[in-house]
Amino acid sequence: QSLLTQPPSASGTPGQRVTISCSGSSSNIGSHNVNWYQHLPGTAPKLLIYTDSHRPSGVPDRFSGSKSGTSASLAISGLQSEDEADYYCATWDDNLNVPVFGGGTKLTVL
Amino acid sequence: EVQLVESGGGLVKPGGSLRLSCVGSGFTFNSFTLNWVRQAPGKGLEWLSSIRIGSSYIFHADSIKGRFTISRGDAPNSVSLQMDNLRAEDTAVYYCARVKKGEAVAFDIWGQGTMVTVSS
Repeated sequence: QSLLTQPPSASGTPGQRVTISCSGSSSNIGSHNVNWYQHLPGTAPKLLIYTDSHRPSGVPDRFSGSKSGTSASLAISGLQSEDEADYYCATWDDNLNVPVFGGGTKLTVL
Repeated sequence: EVQLVESGGGLVKPGGSLRLSCVGSGFTFNSFTLNWVRQAPGKGLEWLSSIRIGSSYIFHADSIKGRFTISRGDAPNSVSLQMDNLRAEDTAVYYCARVKKGEAVAFDIWGQGTMVTVSS
């Protein structure tokens, strides 16, 4: 059971906007930056969002991140078929004193 | 090109050992924190260990503490993960990942992964 709670699945149609939530506590999201990863089967995970809302070079601006209190969200606008992947949030946890990942959300593009 | 390449995975019997290696290139290896992250079949990502070469910064997840050890590798610009007393639940793809400077949990460069299968 992860300290960071994500919905196991999400879906949308091409062109739609979808959001994926990540819920934590004061010892993790409430105190530290949140990062998001995209993971396609058989490939290496890819850093999508860092420090809550920043995109690494090369990540389309269709992807955005936000944080409020002990929760964070990843939004994907203009959904495309290639966005179908697993998405993970991650941050530091002060109680465990280690990085923690959310359980992951499988995004399906209908 | 900045990259990480893992090796050393394979099939091992329960109770056995494996040593994974991660070699970096295209960046100043000793300036970064390197991590091992795994994904078991049908499961999510799980952080395992962190090391900053040349410092005392070494952390392990409780789930592998006492069985796995991260260290500087024998080859230049490499880190290793020594895995002892392996269990079936350690079956997973093991990734090496670099931490982006200034952000403790932003893994900006990942290797392609190496598969570890623990089975009799």
